[in-house]
Amino acid sequence: EVQLVESGGGLVKPGGSLRLSCAASGFTFSSYSMNWVRQAPGKGLEWVSSISSSSSYIYYADSVKGRFTISRDNAKNSLYLQMNSLRAEDTAVYYCARDPPRGYYDILTYFDYWGQGTLVTVSS
Amino acid sequence: QSVLTQPPSVSGAPGQRVTISCTGSSSNIGAGYDVHWYQQLPGTAPKLLIYGNSNRPSGVPDRFSGSKSGTSASLAITGLQAEDEADYYCQSYDSSLSGPRVFGTGTKVTVL
Repeated sequence: EVQLVESGGGLVKPGGSLRLSCAASGFTFSSYSMNWVRQAPGKGLEWVSSISSSSSYIYYADSVKGRFTISRDNAKNSLYLQMNSLRAEDTAVYYCARDPPRGYYDILTYFDYWGQGTLVTVSS
Repeated sequence: QSVLTQPPSVSGAPGQRVTISCTGSSSNIGAGYDVHWYQQLPGTAPKLLIYGNSNRPSGVPDRFSGSKSGTSASLAITGLQAEDEADYYCQSYDSSLSGPRVFGTGTKVTVL
């Protein structure tokens, strides 16, 4: 069974930093591209960042570019999101989401499995 | 502000058919890029409902169907059930944005 479990969320002051983790199990993590998607309270979904299976391709939404860094450790079956210079508008539930199986990074594809999310609150 | 527009809400009685539109432009749906749909039940994570415009993952009831035409896509729910009350999001690719994947604005389905 595919499982994605996020952790690392919490309350942080504006300008602060936080590192989110996503522990994957039930599939060969190193073969899949992974993503972070967020949802502000009462709002819709927003794609944040994607990373290919070997970390060769990395993409960011304009809203987080230069402040967030996505990374992965295939040996630990884990995905990360380092968030710096946090702003109030970064307050959201952050979901880890998997791409479907491909032999390449597919920029056009969808998210086939999602974690339960971790809440990040940026407030003084 | 998303480049994919959905109606904020739709409603229907049990057993009825409802449709949700996802309207884009020539840089996304109109360019031929696939549309995917997600269901988000209250207090839970999104779940893949339709991929590649009209394909259902294993386990998704055939009451859910998707279609695409021109610059728009639609999700139809036939035989509406109480457990279908949720938020629904479309998703595609937009070539005019630096970030590759975009979501629709979301639609709340209410079962009367």
